[in-house]
Amino acid sequence: QLVESGGDLVQPGGSLRLSCTASGFTVRSDWMSWVRQAPGKGLEWVAYMNRDGSQTSYMDSVKGRFTISRDSPKESLYLQMNTLRTDDTAIYYCARLKRGPWYFDLWGRGTLVTVSS
Amino acid sequence: QSVLTQPPSASGAPGQTVTISCSGSISNIGTRSVNWYQQLPGTAPKVLIYNTDQRPSGVPDRFSASKSATSASLAISGLQSEDEADFYCAAWDSLLDGPVFGTGTKVTVL
Repeated sequence: QLVESGGDLVQPGGSLRLSCTASGFTVRSDWMSWVRQAPGKGLEWVAYMNRDGSQTSYMDSVKGRFTISRDSPKESLYLQMNTLRTDDTAIYYCARLKRGPWYFDLWGRGTLVTVSS
Repeated sequence: QSVLTQPPSASGAPGQTVTISCSGSISNIGTRSVNWYQQLPGTAPKVLIYNTDQRPSGVPDRFSASKSATSASLAISGLQSEDEADFYCAAWDSLLDGPVFGTGTKVTVL
């Protein structure tokens, strides 16, 4: 199970850190990812991290602004979001990313981030 | 950014078959496996098909999928009212070094 938290209303230019807590498995044993969905829109991959944390990747529009990280002892995944823009408004889902073949096999319920003045 | 193109909507009567297309390019569908996700209203997505045509345990065999060149398709046979949902295709994109999703298709059961 995955449970996200940290979503909130924030002004443009502000920062927010999302958390995702895993139960039933350990985050350091799997690739993990964040996927977002703007209101009434489709799914959009945001970032992923590999098992040992040595590899991360981001969608172009969040590079340099968002950082994915994890705290293994706490079984938590994070997404630090800086310099937020109105088009970052979305539900952010934490998802486990299976590899070989790849697919998102486990999703959280999501947490809502609203960027507005 | 959605790199994979799907029709915005599809519909069918109960018991009929609905097919959803997904068009991509050589850097994603053309060289990588395709996944399909179902998102029921107000819920998180759920994987329906992975590795182009494989169903996770618990997914009915009414759902089937295939791929040809840079396009993929999902077929839902024996359509049921509980199949009303949004469906998304997805594929890894070698140029983006990450997964890309389709634009999504809303399936309505008439």
